[in-house]
Amino acid sequence: ELKVEQNPLFLSMQEGKNYTIYCNYSTTSDRLYWYRQDPGKSLESLFVLLSNGAVKQEGRLMASLDTKARLSTLHITAAVHDLSATYFCAVDTDYKLSFGAGTTVTVRA
Amino acid sequence: GAVVSQHPSRVICKSGTSVKIECRSLDFQATTMFWYRQFPKQSLMLMATSNEGSKATYEQGVEKDKFLINHASLTLSTLTVTSAHPEDSSFYICSAPDSPNSYEQYFGPGTRLTVT
Repeated sequence: ELKVEQNPLFLSMQEGKNYTIYCNYSTTSDRLYWYRQDPGKSLESLFVLLSNGAVKQEGRLMASLDTKARLSTLHITAAVHDLSATYFCAVDTDYKLSFGAGTTVTVRA
Repeated sequence: GAVVSQHPSRVICKSGTSVKIECRSLDFQATTMFWYRQFPKQSLMLMATSNEGSKATYEQGVEKDKFLINHASLTLSTLTVTSAHPEDSSFYICSAPDSPNSYEQYFGPGTRLTVT
């Protein structure tokens, strides 16, 4: 059974500081996704990582994938309030997504 | 990007009744769609894969007779929750890749089901 583990599950960030969310998974996969979910809303796609060593950046967010270590990271640079949300990683096996538990991020002043 | 819609966005039904949720791909054809369920404060769990023109495939532990899936056209999949009970109250989200070989999936806005 595929396991996808995210940590931390809760992250209180101070504005302006940097943080990292980790996503470990238990099976071989070259495809990993990061999503953002705001309360009461569906998922917003952040990054699609399709190969070992993939790195993608958008604004204050940067995601990377190490398929050998079965690890992806989501790095947040200089956190701002607008980044408060729940972040999910998901691993693709045969186009079916298995999600991590989610990391609830709260950014405080 | 591709757009997936869901209808209704919210529905309240009484225990024992059935409710249908629609998932539509608006600007692409989807031979495959996926149905997920999300309980409050939890992650998304895949329920089933909806295949156009053939039977849906259900994940382990999901009752196929309770959650009926019909993928009658290349742009529409429906999920019917039969004989709904309060424990079926959840956020149901569908997704679809915009082409058979695409790795990117597009998520619908979700349907909040409350069973009283």
